[in-house]
Amino acid sequence: DTGVSQDPRHKITKRGQNVTFRCDPISEHNRLYWYRQTLGQGPEFLTYFQNEAQLEKSRLLSDRFSAERPKGSFSTLEIQRTEQGDSAMYLCASGRETDTQYFGPGTRLTVL
Amino acid sequence: GENVEQHPSTLSVQEGDSAVIKCTYSDSASNYFPWYKQELGKRPQLIIDIRSNVGEKKDQRIAVTLNKTAKHFSLHITETQPEDSAVYFCAAGAPSSGSARQLTFGSGTQLTVLP
Repeated sequence: DTGVSQDPRHKITKRGQNVTFRCDPISEHNRLYWYRQTLGQGPEFLTYFQNEAQLEKSRLLSDRFSAERPKGSFSTLEIQRTEQGDSAMYLCASGRETDTQYFGPGTRLTVL
Repeated sequence: GENVEQHPSTLSVQEGDSAVIKCTYSDSASNYFPWYKQELGKRPQLIIDIRSNVGEKKDQRIAVTLNKTAKHFSLHITETQPEDSAVYFCAAGAPSSGSARQLTFGSGTQLTVLP
């Protein structure tokens, strides 16, 4: 499968714990996006990388959230001190210079 | 920022009938409008997109129309089939850093095609 992959697919954690998600974009895609999707809603933009540079961050991305893409390939999204409101599907998408964004399967986070 | 509204939230049609989903956007700078289909528990998949330099685009049973003046765009599915049942999301993209598009999504339409 040469599509966008995400790991893990599901994560259950207790409130206050830190979690980290990984996204592997389609090979040679220089653009990588993170979105959050809650039940019954469309994806909400969180942040965007072009190569290794983080160029955009949403106001939704509080100080507890950090994202990296150190070598311009895979990316990680870390949430520190998780809260119940962080429960959602975290989607990664990648693309090239065209506008098309290809989504991964997502990581479903449940904070107890 | 951009605001995208999508209607209806649910839509049921008989197999073979047409389905129409409408979206409006607020930011006149938006110039890229994709539509995604998301089946339960699966990733959003791009089904069609349109840029602001055209008013209509077709791909087999799917078409999208764009009215820039009124800031609205619509998805048309003809000859619907049960496998078209899914949640459909519209989105609007405006240029942002590095010429990428930050997409703002609508809240989705649950389409059910009844056999």
